[in-house]
Amino acid sequence: QKEVEQNSGPLSVPEGAIASLNCTYSDRGSQSFFWYRQYSGKSPELIMFIYSNGDKEDGRFTAQLNKASQYVSLLIRDSQPSDSATYLCAVNIGNQFYFGTGTSLTVIP
Amino acid sequence: GAVVSQHPSWVICKSGTSVKIECRSLDFQATTMFWYRQFPKQSLMLMATSNEGSKATHEQGVEKDKFLINHASLTLSTLTVTSAHPEDSSFYICSARDPRDFYGYTFGSGTRLTVV
Repeated sequence: QKEVEQNSGPLSVPEGAIASLNCTYSDRGSQSFFWYRQYSGKSPELIMFIYSNGDKEDGRFTAQLNKASQYVSLLIRDSQPSDSATYLCAVNIGNQFYFGTGTSLTVIP
Repeated sequence: GAVVSQHPSWVICKSGTSVKIECRSLDFQATTMFWYRQFPKQSLMLMATSNEGSKATHEQGVEKDKFLINHASLTLSTLTVTSAHPEDSSFYICSARDPRDFYGYTFGSGTRLTVV
């Protein structure tokens, strides 16, 4: 059983729309949750992390965590073409990270 | 923020040779660094955890004698792919956590290895 699961997509949204990315995890001992953005051929870059139930907002990005249902999501408001990338969900358990396979997002101008 | 430098960014080597990849924390000391491998259209897979001054911990299925890790200082970890084969061609990425920031795991820029 995979620790972290994501819909691989591709997900396409028009420019200006809200993109919604979802992630589920299997280990209830998971402590913190991260969303990374990865452009093709590049290393992942951190967008946000969250460790408490509820919402966390940072600019156009909102992370949502529901520990009871074991899912974490990322909303991107006012999507821009530059947001087109693969979004990786990661879960921190102890000193280790477990990554999902990523969701490919395309924002159509 | 914390910066992790990885070198080289890409390398092509002949089958059977060895390749060394360096990972440096530029503005912090990292007692632990992580090495990942990413095949095309797949996620990052943890290969090994590098600990300064002690042996690295390799994940199950990752040969420690093939993927040698040295973490001789608090700012440098190296991954050496020995006797490389075409199936070792992949994107290798290191990561380190700035101890000043509990959630501050920073990735290096990655190394694209192609074995021909």
